[in-house]
Amino acid sequence: GQQVMQIPQYQHVQEGEDFTTYCNSSTTLSNIQWYKQRPGGHPVFLIQLVKSGEVKKQKRLTFQFGEAKKNSSLHITATQTTDVGTYFCALNSGGYQKVTFGIGTKLQVIP
Amino acid sequence: EAGVAQSPRYKIIEKRQSVAFWCNPISGHATLYWYQQILGQGPKLLIQFQNNGVVDDSQLPKDRFSAERLKGVDSTLKIQPAKLEDSAVYLCASSFLGQNSPLHFGNGTRLTVT
Repeated sequence: GQQVMQIPQYQHVQEGEDFTTYCNSSTTLSNIQWYKQRPGGHPVFLIQLVKSGEVKKQKRLTFQFGEAKKNSSLHITATQTTDVGTYFCALNSGGYQKVTFGIGTKLQVIP
Repeated sequence: EAGVAQSPRYKIIEKRQSVAFWCNPISGHATLYWYQQILGQGPKLLIQFQNNGVVDDSQLPKDRFSAERLKGVDSTLKIQPAKLEDSAVYLCASSFLGQNSPLHFGNGTRLTVT
């Protein structure tokens, strides 16, 4: 089945610095979803990208879908301690909506 | 709206014992997923239902895991017998039908097998 590589696995940043996580696939994706999981919590849906080259913003978060629909990125501007958690990209495939998660990027923000 | 309900929150059992987890999805969500999340890894899909039918169970260890979704609403996931490597958080998620529907997760059940 389809798989996705996510990098980096871990990232420590000083509060106020920017952060980016990348999701890469060897095959063309129909769409991609992003989730955030706080420590001890469950994944929470952030956004879905569908169109080639699509860019969506949620306050300090910017999500991009590559032109070839094989990669995606999540960028956080001026991180805050509330951004701590693991960010997952997830592939949505198959006619019945199978959702496959990447390994995630664990973000630590140092105050 | 009420979220996805799961129980129990925590369970500790010895290896070779059996255990069952329960999930009640969001009302109206036809699709229900069970994921296994081992510490430090992403959620791994075990089984997916649409209404009361299984649409994907390719990664379910069928010699020891079973799941059902009677009447297309609540679901149970059972492990019998449990192994040490089954220690993980078991997450239930649900969504509307349709490829662009986000998943809504429950709080999960943390299973420890000793």
